[in-house]
Amino acid sequence: AQSVTQLDSHVSVSEGTPVLLRCNYSSSYSPSLFWYVQHPNKGLQLLLKYTSAATLVKGINGFEAEFKKSETSFHLTKPSAHMSDAAEYFCVVSDRDDYKLSFGAGTTVTVRA
Amino acid sequence: DVKVTQSSRYLVKRTGEKVFLECVQDMDHENMFWYRQDPGLGLRLIYFSYDVKMKEKGDIPEGYSVSREKKERFSLILESASTNQTSMYLCASSLGWEKLFFGSGTQLSVL
Repeated sequence: AQSVTQLDSHVSVSEGTPVLLRCNYSSSYSPSLFWYVQHPNKGLQLLLKYTSAATLVKGINGFEAEFKKSETSFHLTKPSAHMSDAAEYFCVVSDRDDYKLSFGAGTTVTVRA
Repeated sequence: DVKVTQSSRYLVKRTGEKVFLECVQDMDHENMFWYRQDPGLGLRLIYFSYDVKMKEKGDIPEGYSVSREKKERFSLILESASTNQTSMYLCASSLGWEKLFFGSGTQLSVL
């Protein structure tokens, strides 16, 4: 069975400082991993995905994530936070290349001016 | 850009009512999904459809049914609404499994 744990329910950063959102996963197979972002009153949008190619994945809006099999982690980072990054972020795992995605509980990011 | 449209942003219903949530996508996607989103629980899959008139149960199908009579439209039905079905409902569509496109959600309150 697959599952995802997002280690922080809330992260607060100052504008211009780095952002780190932590995600650990459990999977019986070689997983596919995703990060989605949800801005207030909007649908979720795919930020980036890992599907067994390069372990460092670059996404939209300056975000990137690194797949570490030995640590079963897929942490999301951004070097410099912007006010527009304030949103909820979901880590997602799929271990059978099918429609059964497992979503984490979400991390809410606030950005201080 | 893909557009997934959910018919209502907010709905308030009474316990026992039959509730229809409608979702339309404009990109000819084969797959459509209904999720519910609750604080601290993330998203949980209710039903999935991979073609017209085809459906699969997700993780929490109890108390829900779905209808897909046309490729672009996927309806979620609460046969007899209960207070524990108060939630944010999200519809999504996709071609494959690697990228889902989501609607902006329907916040349902059952009183």
